[in-house]
Order: sequence, then C-alpha cells, then structure tokens
Amino acid sequence: ETGVTQTPRHLVMGMTNKKSLKCEQHLGHNAMYWYKQSAKKPLELMFVYNFKEQTENNSVPSRFSPECPNSSHLFLHLHTLQPEDSALYLCASSQVGGATDTQYFGPGTRLTVL
Amino acid sequence: AQTVTQSQPEMSVQEAETVTLSCTYDTSESDYYLFWYKQPPSRQMILVIRQEAYKQQNATENRFSVNFQKAAKSFSLKISDSQLGDAAMYFCAYRTPYSGGGADGLTFGKGTHLIIQP
Repeated sequence: ETGVTQTPRHLVMGMTNKKSLKCEQHLGHNAMYWYKQSAKKPLELMFVYNFKEQTENNSVPSRFSPECPNSSHLFLHLHTLQPEDSALYLCASSQVGGATDTQYFGPGTRLTVL
Repeated sequence: AQTVTQSQPEMSVQEAETVTLSCTYDTSESDYYLFWYKQPPSRQMILVIRQEAYKQQNATENRFSVNFQKAAKSFSLKISDSQLGDAAMYFCAYRTPYSGGGADGLTFGKGTHLIIQP
C-alpha cells in the first residue's frame, strides 16, 4: 500500500449504529487530519492530530470521536449519527516541520446515514 | 478567520485551450501557503500546485501555473493545453505556516467544476 488509505470506501448505517472509519498513512508523516466533504459546501476540517496528540477539534459534535493510536493510524468512531452527517469523509496526512508540509489525502469514505 | 472564495462553480474549456480558475482569500496573516487541489470523479484529492506567500515568483508545474497577487489576495490557476484528464473539481486552499504550536488544517473554497470539451 502506498500513500494514504481509507477503509471502508462506502458505509451505510442507521442512526442507532456504531461504526468506525479507518485511515492509514504509509508516508512516514507526523500529522493526520479528518475532513468532512458535504455536497455544495467547502471541505470542513474536523480534527487534527500532531505526533498522536489532538491539536484541534473544530467544534465537531461528540457523536464523532477520533482516535490516533500512533502516527500512522487514525480512526473516526461514529455513534448515534444524524442523516445530515451523510458525507464523504477524507483523511489526510502531512509532515509538519519538514521541508514541505503538504497534506496528502486518502480516497475517502462515502457515509450514508439512514 | 480565514476564508477562501471560488466564484466560478463551473467552467468549460475546449481541449488544448487555456483556462483560468479564480480564487480569492481573506487573511490578516503576512505569511501563509496557498494550494490548488484537484479531485477527479474517483474522489482522490491530488495536489496540483503550491505557493508560499513570501515568494514573489509564481509557482509552475508543467502545464499548471498560478498568478499570485498578494496585495489583491488573489490566487488564480492557469491550465494550458487542457487535456481530457484535467476534468475534475478544483479546490483552492489556504494554510498558515507551521509555527511550532501544532499542525494546521486547510481552509478550502467551495470548488470549481472544470469540464473539458473534446
């Protein structure tokens, strides 16, 4: 695997379900990010992890719970979601403090909440 | 807070022609980074080009170049010799430099849907 991978690619869940999104980066980066991409809205930053520590929570509802066990893996735990949470969830990684700290994105997980 | 505005929801260009996508931003910072990302229908977001605000020279990457006007807070993307594979959503994004306080996320515009006419 190369770059940033995300699983699953598609997820359909009911409002009472609990599910998790997984992101893995194979680039040796030290920062990871979750973004939400809804139709007709700009991509919204949700969470930032730097060296496994959460450095930003962009006023995200508590039904979204991130976890970063190490610098290569990032999870987004979902519970009691609402239909308006249906969106494409993108993970990204970057090397903060390096020569270039460009963010590299995964393919996303398309989430549908019924 | 920083904002990024892309005023063209959709643009269309003939294959082999040149097209320019517009982006303006608002910030009180003097140092920052600007990006253009491309998102083809497969949804993988790909970096097209990057510009550091302290550099006066416009960035170029093969057929892609930018016109960075710092005073006007404008950052347009020019695609020369358009190809069918250029069809995608293009997003302009802004980020402050790493300052030692932790990583910063990107602020995105709403995107421009670029159509290439064969």
